[in-house]
Amino acid sequence: AQSVTQLGSHVSVSEGALVLLRCNYSSSVPPYLFWYVQYPNQGLQLLLKYTSAATLVKGINGFEAEFKKSETSFHLTKPSAHMSDAAEYFCAVIKAAGNKLTFGGGTRVLVKP
Amino acid sequence: EAGVTQFPSHSVIEKGQTVTLRCDPISGHDNLYWYRRVMGKEIKFLLHFVKESKQDESGMPNNRFLAERTGGTYSTLKVQPAELEDSGVYFCASSQQLASSYEQYFGPGTRLTVT
Repeated sequence: AQSVTQLGSHVSVSEGALVLLRCNYSSSVPPYLFWYVQYPNQGLQLLLKYTSAATLVKGINGFEAEFKKSETSFHLTKPSAHMSDAAEYFCAVIKAAGNKLTFGGGTRVLVKP
Repeated sequence: EAGVTQFPSHSVIEKGQTVTLRCDPISGHDNLYWYRRVMGKEIKFLLHFVKESKQDESGMPNNRFLAERTGGTYSTLKVQPAELEDSGVYFCASSQQLASSYEQYFGPGTRLTVT
């Protein structure tokens, strides 16, 4: 069975500071990994995905994530936070195309001026 | 291209009543998924349709939940009778039926409150 752990349900960062959201997974097979974002009153939007190509994945809005198999991690980063990054972020894993997603608990990001 | 749509956006019902949620996937997407997020918990899978067939319904909590996808287009999720613990946000997602297609596109969700 797969599981995803996001460290920290809430993260507060200052505008312009580094955003680092942690995600660790457990999977019996090589996984495919995703970060989704949910802005207030909106649905889930895909930020980026890892599907066994390059281990450093670049996504939308300046976010990127690095797949580290040895650490079973897929942490999300953004060098400089913007007020518009305030949202909830979800890490998710899938075994294969067409399968169900397994989500972490989510991390809500607050950006302080 | 229209995204995944869900109706209603909010629903408030009393315990014991029936509610039906609807999801319209992206046109041409054969895969349709239902997920749910109960307050304070992670988003959890409910079930997966491929066209009109249920591919995986391992996440359905109990027999008070009934999902259908007649004709392989839109889907409905009926809760009858609703209980307090059914409150949460119900998400629908769709994806293409391709071996290389991993991305699921989500709708805005239906917030269900059972009082």
